[in-house]
Amino acid sequence: DQQVKQNSPSLSVQEGRISILNCDYTNSMFDYFLWYKKYPAEGPTFLISISSIKDKNEDGRFTVFLNKSAKHLSLHIVPSQPGDSAVYFCAASARETSGSRLTFGEGTQLTVNP
Amino acid sequence: DGGITQSPKYLFRKEGQNVTLSCEQNLNHDAMYWYRQDPGQGLRLIYYSQIVNDFQKGDIAEGYSVSREKKESFPLTVTSAQKNPTAFYLCASMNWGNLGEQFFGPGTRLTVL
Repeated sequence: DQQVKQNSPSLSVQEGRISILNCDYTNSMFDYFLWYKKYPAEGPTFLISISSIKDKNEDGRFTVFLNKSAKHLSLHIVPSQPGDSAVYFCAASARETSGSRLTFGEGTQLTVNP
Repeated sequence: DGGITQSPKYLFRKEGQNVTLSCEQNLNHDAMYWYRQDPGQGLRLIYYSQIVNDFQKGDIAEGYSVSREKKESFPLTVTSAQKNPTAFYLCASMNWGNLGEQFFGPGTRLTVL
């Protein structure tokens, strides 16, 4: 049972344009959502998060949007840069019921072309 | 310089042998986690520990064992009972005050021949 799904295995965009990565979840108990970025043969690094009481969180070029009714979140990167090329993982937690556990999606490989 | 270390970076073992992967953190984090990453499957939770001397099974604990004798250390043993041990293994830690943000180590690539 895949509770967090990233349906696009890959995404390719031009430098300077917007990148939009999507994530869907099924567990209505999830109350905190995170995005991680991962380069090959390295550990993921935290990018940005959002609590279920918000619908938007912005940090520089990165913005995460949460649509609770649709159980959908997205990560917008604008403008995209070649250094953004990496695998992006969406993750979710249900802090009241599962404590500190995170459930990850399958990841989306973003390629930003110069 | 705080962080999480995993050693070694690359590990090769013969089939049927147990192997222990190291994970150490000096962030004073309470909770620690082990994940494995396989192509196209994201990160799957093996075991986690929220306090010293306590740990819980994750989603794919069969064939693995852990211990948490010290706050700083959370070693993972891949036993011969694990049917597909070749994978990229990631250790993470978290402070309860960080609202779910886990910090990851650099990973260990285990190849069983």
